[in-house]
Amino acid sequence: RKEVEQDPGPFNVPEGATVAFNCTYSNSASQSFFWYRQDCRKEPKLLMSVYSSGNEDGRFTAQLNRASQYISLLIRDSKLSDSATYLCVVNIPNSGYALNFGKGTSLLVTP
Amino acid sequence: GAGVSQSPRYKVAKRGQDVALRCDPISGHVSLFWYQQALGQGPEFLTYFQNEAQLDKSGLPSDRFFAERPEGSVSTLKIQRTQQEDSAVYLCASRDGNNQPQHFGDGTRLSIL
Repeated sequence: RKEVEQDPGPFNVPEGATVAFNCTYSNSASQSFFWYRQDCRKEPKLLMSVYSSGNEDGRFTAQLNRASQYISLLIRDSKLSDSATYLCVVNIPNSGYALNFGKGTSLLVTP
Repeated sequence: GAGVSQSPRYKVAKRGQDVALRCDPISGHVSLFWYQQALGQGPEFLTYFQNEAQLDKSGLPSDRFFAERPEGSVSTLKIQRTQQEDSAVYLCASRDGNNQPQHFGDGTRLSIL
């Protein structure tokens, strides 16, 4: 069983739609949580960190529930440029904050 | 400024050959990480350096994989006697401090024939 599990996807949504991604992690000692975005044949890029109180960055809202070890990402008013793979990421405890990535969920926003 | 630089961008090798992949982290970044990303999967942690010290190599899949960072800057990931299952994108990332994000290089796409 992978330590970080994500929705299998893919998600195909029209422009302007709201889409939500969910993620669970198994190591309760993890302390840092992120969503990364990866475009086809490109490197992962940090989209946003996820904080216990929840946080928002423009059209993106991230939530963390430590008790249930659950992380979510909400994208409002989807744009064509949001099409990418979204990776749920938690740190590996006691490893210099090395990262444990989920498999990723593919999003395709269509006109 | 310059980001994380990896070379070569693409590498094709025959099964059984040795390969060496290079990573130039962002100047001054103390922490350096190697990840392996197979097709359709998320990156998987391989190893971690703090300066020249390799503090965690628990993710290296076999003793054919070896990484070094002798002067605390450039790092090399070496794979000996390559196998087809080694085909993947190898990503390098560096970070300034514990509370800073990791910056990834473009990766080396390794294909073993």
